Amino acid sequence: QLQLQESGPGLVKPSETLSLTCTVSGGSISTSGYYWGWIRQPPGKGLEWIGNIYYNGNTYYNPSLNSRVTISADTSKNQFSLRLSSVTAADTAVYYCARAKGGLTTYPDWGQGTLITVSS
Amino acid sequence: QTVVTQEPSLTVSPGGTVTLTCASSTGAVTNGNYPNWYQQIPGQAPRSLIYSTTNKQSWTPARFSGSLLGGKAALTLSGVQPEDEADYYCLLYSGGGVVFGGGTKLTVL
Repeated sequence: QLQLQESGPGLVKPSETLSLTCTVSGGSISTSGYYWGWIRQPPGKGLEWIGNIYYNGNTYYNPSLNSRVTISADTSKNQFSLRLSSVTAADTAVYYCARAKGGLTTYPDWGQGTLITVSS
Repeated sequence: QTVVTQEPSLTVSPGGTVTLTCASSTGAVTNGNYPNWYQQIPGQAPRSLIYSTTNKQSWTPARFSGSLLGGKAALTLSGVQPEDEADYYCLLYSGGGVVFGGGTKLTVL
């Protein structure tokens, strides 16, 4: 059974870079056909797609975040990561990692999410 | 960037039927937008219910169905149960990326 687990600092200072890692167990991030992605949800608000990395390393980003986002993968550790630069309070959210199947829109598998607060 | 619009809130009686819709600012929603529907119970991660307009996940109860209706994607719940009270989000593929709707809070009362 596939499991995804987010890990990160919890608290990030404004203007700094947020870094999160998603550790995958029960399946390989190198398996063809799957996209590995990040989705966030500010407290009390809706979901926002951040971006994905395909099993072959291709990346896809939300245009509104594109200049600040980098998603990468470490196949040796079966992990993929998110870096979001120049954060502000507006980046405070629960960040979910998820696996997409058959395209960028279908996410059957999710991590539990981790709350990242941007504050000095 | 595409804006995806859902009803902010809907209320339905137990056993009733309700339809949630999902509209795109770029025009009619089509199968090419690969409409997906997600259910989120507060405090939990979202759960995929419907993909590619009409397809159900293996865990999706039979009372949930997806369709295209009047230029929008639609999620219909027939025979609503109290446990269906949740937030529902649609997700569309548009312009090379992916956009969530603002969500519909469904109250079962």
